[in-house]
Amino acid sequence: AQKITQTQPGMFVQEKEAVTLDCTYDTSDQSYGLFWYKQPSSGEMIFLIYQGSYDEQNATEGRYSLNFQKARKSANLVISASQLGDSAMYFCAMRERYSSASKIIFGSGTRLSIRP
Amino acid sequence: GAVVSQHPSRVICKSGTSVKIECRSLDFQATTMFWYRQFPKQSLMLMATSNEGSKATYEQGVEKDKFLINHASLTLSTLTVTSAHPEDSSFYICSATQESNQPQHFGDGTRLSIL
Repeated sequence: AQKITQTQPGMFVQEKEAVTLDCTYDTSDQSYGLFWYKQPSSGEMIFLIYQGSYDEQNATEGRYSLNFQKARKSANLVISASQLGDSAMYFCAMRERYSSASKIIFGSGTRLSIRP
Repeated sequence: GAVVSQHPSRVICKSGTSVKIECRSLDFQATTMFWYRQFPKQSLMLMATSNEGSKATYEQGVEKDKFLINHASLTLSTLTVTSAHPEDSSFYICSATQESNQPQHFGDGTRLSIL
């Protein structure tokens, strides 16, 4: 069974600093996708970044990058130059088997708080 | 881009009421949609996979007679919480995706409060 682990329940970071949110996963599939979502206090889920298991390059989207280490089964999110608006819950998620019908499982989340 | 619309955003009702929540994919067809439940300060818990034209697949521990799912068209899935009680109060959120390597697009969620 697939499993996602986020070991940091909460983090405090100074504005403009970079921050790394940890995520490890477990799956027996060779084909899978990894996602990061941001959930502000209003509740909506905002997609940040995606990494496919066969992608050779680490995914990047603006200030977000995904440090994908396949052998270690880790997919850490790096936010560069953090901003006050980055304060939110962040969830790592995984989908197995590259099918739109495959369910996505979420980690327990990390609450990120940016200090001015 | 692809958008998922969820309605209503908030429901407050008395115990024993049945509540229907709609999830629509606005500019794409979704043969599969997903329903999640989220308790305060916790992660999203997958309740069921909604399949167009067939029965939903429920996760272990989720009562299918309590949480009725109907996916009658390629753009609409509904979740009905039957005879809701205070313990059913939660944040319910749906999602859908176009392609397997694309992210899930989420509705804005429904905050259900049962008095």
